[in-house]
Amino acid sequence: KQEVTQIPAALSVPEGENLVLNCSFTDSAIYNLQWFRQDPGKGLTSLLLIQSSQREQTSGRLNASLDKSSGRSTLYIAASQPGDSATYLCAVQTSGSRLTFGEGTQLTVNP
Amino acid sequence: NAGVTQTPKFRVLKTGQSMTLLCAQDMNHEYMYWYRQDPGMGLRLIHYSVGEGTTAKGEVPDGYNVSRLKKQNFLLGLESAAPSQTSVYFCASSSLPYEQYFGPGTRLTVT
Repeated sequence: KQEVTQIPAALSVPEGENLVLNCSFTDSAIYNLQWFRQDPGKGLTSLLLIQSSQREQTSGRLNASLDKSSGRSTLYIAASQPGDSATYLCAVQTSGSRLTFGEGTQLTVNP
Repeated sequence: NAGVTQTPKFRVLKTGQSMTLLCAQDMNHEYMYWYRQDPGMGLRLIHYSVGEGTTAKGEVPDGYNVSRLKKQNFLLGLESAAPSQTSVYFCASSSLPYEQYFGPGTRLTVT
């Protein structure tokens, strides 16, 4: 059974800092890995999707990497801003169309 | 495009009552999903559909039924609500193996 773990569970940083969020998964037979953002009381917004054949994806200040063999992904946020404060969720897609989610990292960026 | 929409946004039920949650998508996606999100448990897949007229069980299907009579709609039913079904319910859609798009969620309380 696929299990996804995100570390740390919560992170507080000053504005302008670069930061890394970690995601690990137990079964390397994945189709893709997706990073989401969730604001309090809201739905999920897709940030980046990395196909299993890819190593990384970039969007603006965000960069996600994938090392399938070791079962790890990182989300790098450059020059963090207070507007980046949210919960970040990692999810892996395996056979049967299923997404398995981690419990998320709650990020607070202090002005 | 509205993307993925969910109806209703909030609902309070008494134990034993029934209700149906409606999910609609206008992206012509084949795949649709229902998840529930609970504190400390993350998002878990309830049921999903790989096309019109098809449904399949996810990780936590007990107590729920689903129907996909039209490609754009995916209904989640609770026949006899229980307090354990108090949760936030999210619908998502995708064209496998691409990213899943999520609706804004339905907050359900069962008393």
